[in-house]
Amino acid sequence: TQLLEQSPQFLSIQEGENLTVYCNSSSVFSSLQWYRQEPGEGPVLLVTVVTGGEVKKLKRLTFQFGDARKDSSLHITAAQPGDTGLYLCAGDQAGTALIFGKGTTLSVSS
Amino acid sequence: EAGVAQSPRYKIIEKRQSVAFWCNPISGHATLYWYQQILGQGPKLLIQFQNNGVVDDSQLPKDRFSAERLKGVDSTLKIQPAKLEDSAVYLCASSSDRGRWNEKLFFGSGTQLSVL
Repeated sequence: TQLLEQSPQFLSIQEGENLTVYCNSSSVFSSLQWYRQEPGEGPVLLVTVVTGGEVKKLKRLTFQFGDARKDSSLHITAAQPGDTGLYLCAGDQAGTALIFGKGTTLSVSS
Repeated sequence: EAGVAQSPRYKIIEKRQSVAFWCNPISGHATLYWYQQILGQGPKLLIQFQNNGVVDDSQLPKDRFSAERLKGVDSTLKIQPAKLEDSAVYLCASSSDRGRWNEKLFFGSGTQLSVL
């Protein structure tokens, strides 16, 4: 059983489109992190959300943590080819190592 | 600041052979992780070290996998003997903030292992 479910698994869009990817769980997390991973590289941390209902913005990326701290979403406005990659969410249950979802593979074509 | 260094980048072996991966974390980072990432999946924790002690190795297949972190700095992960299902990218990560609620992991580029 996957503790963190990410959807969609794959997303292919045109440059300029908006998109949202989701990270859902039945468990509560102390915090939730979003990483982006490019081919041949390790994941790179984008943001950490810690408070239920919290919204964080990173340029064209908007991250939201659910009120119950069980889910999160990542919204990208006006996607660019440079946004292409694997987006991973990872949950922190206090005292344990991060648990990763399977990720959403995003492809943005020009 | 130098990042997490891993070697080799690629390794191709036949099943039943042995292989070793090396990781040098960011200087001063006390916590080191080895993750296994199978194609199409997220990273799965294999083992977590705090300095040179093991914190969590509950998901490490101990009949064939071993890891050590002598002197609390660099680390090696070994597979002996390898199986076809071990084909994956092996990622090393380090952190200075274990135990905090917002621990930040820094990952290396990984070693891509192909078992034929």
